[in-house]
Amino acid sequence: GDQVEQSPSALSLHEGTGSALRCNFTTTMRAVQWFQQNSRGSLINLFYLASGTKENGRLKSTFNSKESYSTLHIRDAQLEDSGTYFCAAEGAGNTGKLIFGLGTTLQVQP
Amino acid sequence: EAAVTQSPRNKVTVTGGNVTLSCRQTNSHNYMYWYRQDTGHGLRLIHYSYGAGNLQIGDVPDGYKATRTTQEDFFLLLELASPSQTSLYFCASGNQDTQYFGPGTRLLVL
Repeated sequence: GDQVEQSPSALSLHEGTGSALRCNFTTTMRAVQWFQQNSRGSLINLFYLASGTKENGRLKSTFNSKESYSTLHIRDAQLEDSGTYFCAAEGAGNTGKLIFGLGTTLQVQP
Repeated sequence: EAAVTQSPRNKVTVTGGNVTLSCRQTNSHNYMYWYRQDTGHGLRLIHYSYGAGNLQIGDVPDGYKATRTTQEDFFLLLELASPSQTSLYFCASGNQDTQYFGPGTRLLVL
């Protein structure tokens, strides 16, 4: 079955507002990465976490391996934040392989 | 910032055709990966490698071969292309933590 469950599948925000995206894992993961896929299709690295919380500008991400989830918080959303956000998790076997969720499509409206 | 390039960026071939997708990374990463992205499936790992001459099977390897000729270069080969292989293909590199993605190659098999 799916090992990385991402929610919501779609999200609409007005500029200046915020929300949280979530990934649940059905097996133990050692690390998680978050990516944004922009309108040109490019995959942009946002965060890599093996534990804890990281923050970068208006984005903040948390990874809780014991409780098998990760979150990505977006605050003060801007139009350029629109795109699809993927989480990808690495299993406990240390193979370097990532398992991707299906993504959250975010549309930021004026 | 990791630099990963892919060529060609777009390719059209016919069923039964022979296609080679190329990927080069210039940051001395040990690991390189080939993924395909399809609507409803997210990104799925085809093959990966942890060094020149090494090849590891991914999650959706059927119909694909790959070869890692140098640390920098990783090729994906479709020897008898089928319409089911129409997709967006991404190459990535990394060192067992953050993966950095190339811009993608759109392949259409008629």
